[in-house]
Amino acid sequence: GQNIDQPTEMTATEGAIVQINCTYQTSGFNGLFWYQQHAGEAPTFLSYNVLDGLEEKGRFSSFLSRSKGYSYLLLKELQMKDSASYLCAYMDSNYQLIWGAGTKLIIKP
Amino acid sequence: IAGITQAPTSQILAAGRRMTLRCTQDMRHNAMYWYRQDLGLGLRLIHYSNTAGTTGKGEVPDGYSVSRANTDDFPLTLASAVPSQTSVYFCASSDGGQSTDTQYFGPGTRLTVL
Repeated sequence: GQNIDQPTEMTATEGAIVQINCTYQTSGFNGLFWYQQHAGEAPTFLSYNVLDGLEEKGRFSSFLSRSKGYSYLLLKELQMKDSASYLCAYMDSNYQLIWGAGTKLIIKP
Repeated sequence: IAGITQAPTSQILAAGRRMTLRCTQDMRHNAMYWYRQDLGLGLRLIHYSNTAGTTGKGEVPDGYSVSRANTDDFPLTLASAVPSQTSVYFCASSDGGQSTDTQYFGPGTRLTVL
């Protein structure tokens, strides 16, 4: 199957921490990607996980559990510029990306 | 270095007309992709090319065709546009189409078919 789910919208406060979850179901898996997309712009790469565990990159971290079909993106010290959509995608057995619908993150002062 | 460019930025098209969306990359990437993005849906793959001279069908290929005559260019053609093809179209490229390859996206083309 090609099922991937993430929340439609989340709201957080500037300076706080937010976790965006992504769940997927697939028979073939070659890694999990997170992209950021500001309104009216192209998606830009944030992170890639292929092994279980946490990958930290500055204010952003990404976690993967392959056995649970679960990933999250953790954003710390939120800034107004982090207001964007965050897209989760897994790479299937044919090395094609299967995308979630995206989570719109709204940051409030 | 421009990365990936797309043209036009936006277009309004009458139903039944033929339209080609252009995509050019200067990163010498082997693989290129065309996606459409619709509100409430994830990016959906239309067609892809793993290397110059080869193309493949993605999840939603009907009504679209592509060609890959060289490494840099990957045009997408709508032979006879229909209103359901109203969408934002993104072209992307990656180094080799394998599991560790990051896809880089162009700025998109906003297409409206009336």
